[in-house]
Order: sequence, then structure tokens, then C-alpha cells
Amino acid sequence: GIQVEQSPPDLILQEGANSTLRCNFSDSVNNLQWFHQNPWGQLINLFYIPSGTKQNGRLSATTVATERYSLLYISSSQTTDSGVYFCAVVNGNQFYFGTGTSLTVIP
Amino acid sequence: KAGVTQTPRYLIKTRGQQVTLSCSPISGHRSVSWYQQTPGQGLQFLFEYFSETQRNKGNFPGRFSGRQFSNSRSEMNVSTLELGDSALYLCASSFLGGTYEQYFGPGTRLTVT
Repeated sequence: GIQVEQSPPDLILQEGANSTLRCNFSDSVNNLQWFHQNPWGQLINLFYIPSGTKQNGRLSATTVATERYSLLYISSSQTTDSGVYFCAVVNGNQFYFGTGTSLTVIP
Repeated sequence: KAGVTQTPRYLIKTRGQQVTLSCSPISGHRSVSWYQQTPGQGLQFLFEYFSETQRNKGNFPGRFSGRQFSNSRSEMNVSTLELGDSALYLCASSFLGGTYEQYFGPGTRLTVT
């Protein structure tokens, strides 16, 4: 099956810093989503981005499907950004989740 | 619109028992997918239901089953519980189907003792 790798696995930032999270996938995909999992386990939709670039406030994402990767940018990080970030891709007829990036933002 | 809801939020069961989890999708969504999240295996797809029919199934034993009702609400059942079934169970709903944009519920945290 498809492999979905995220990097880095762990990230610690000072509040106000910027970061880039990466999602690599081993096969062609039809769709891609980014999620933020909060400390209570809820997965919150960030972007639905099969290709191209989208921005939402301090967050933006870019997917280059032909090169099999997607990037999530977080600017001016805040403590509320802490949590685990997942990308999920569609290959065939189901979603496959990445390994996640655990982000900790320190005040 | 109300989001995806799951009940119960927390559950403690004993090995050998069975459990039923419930998921109510966003109004108008006809697809419900279920996922299991554990520290060791990450997020894994269990199955998807669309208009009361199971469309896709992940690689889980037959002890894991589900169904969907005419109002799109879905239930997931796990029989003969094992310690390894302890996990966060998440359901997601989608308007067009499980390969399109999905919205997740808060999850049910199951502990098997």
C-alpha cells in the first residue's frame, strides 16, 4: 500500500516562530487533507488540498501532486497551535494517514 | 450546521465483552467512515458506509463490524474485545463519499481491561 511519511516527527518552537511541515507520499493520490489533532483527540480540518496552494490566516499549504509531496506552513506560531498535525491522502478508494508531526509551541 | 457527534465519549470494557459505538454525521452527509487510532499503529481505516452499504473495508478482523441506518447514522461494533482494541475510535462524515473531504467527530476512547 501507499506510504505516507511526515517530517519532522517532532518540533519545538518558540512562540512567534515560523515552521514548515512536510508530507511525502509514495504513490499518486487523488485527494489530500491536512488536520490538526488537539490534545483531546479531535481532528480539525485545516486544508483540503489535492493540488495547488491555499491560505487561511497564519496557515498555508501547498501540494505538488506530480512530485508527491505537500507542505504546511505555520507563521507566527501560537501556543494554541500545539498538537499533532496529520496529512491524509486518498489512494484507490480510501484515506491513508501520515505518521504525524507533533508540534509544541513554547511561550 | 452541527458537526459530527459520537457517543459515548469514553468507555471501559472487559476482555471478551462486546461494544457498540455510535456516530451521527453532519446533516446531509451520506458517507460515514470509521478509524482506529493507537499509539503504535497510528490512524487506520476500518470501513466506510455510504447510503447504508459498506463500500470499503480496511484490514481488520471480522470482530469489527458496522452498519448504517437510513438517516445516515452509523454504528460500529466490536465483539470479543481484546486488550489491543483499546484505542481512540474516530468517525468521519463526507458529503460525496469517503475519498472526498472528511469531517471528524470528537472520538470515543475505549479502554479494555
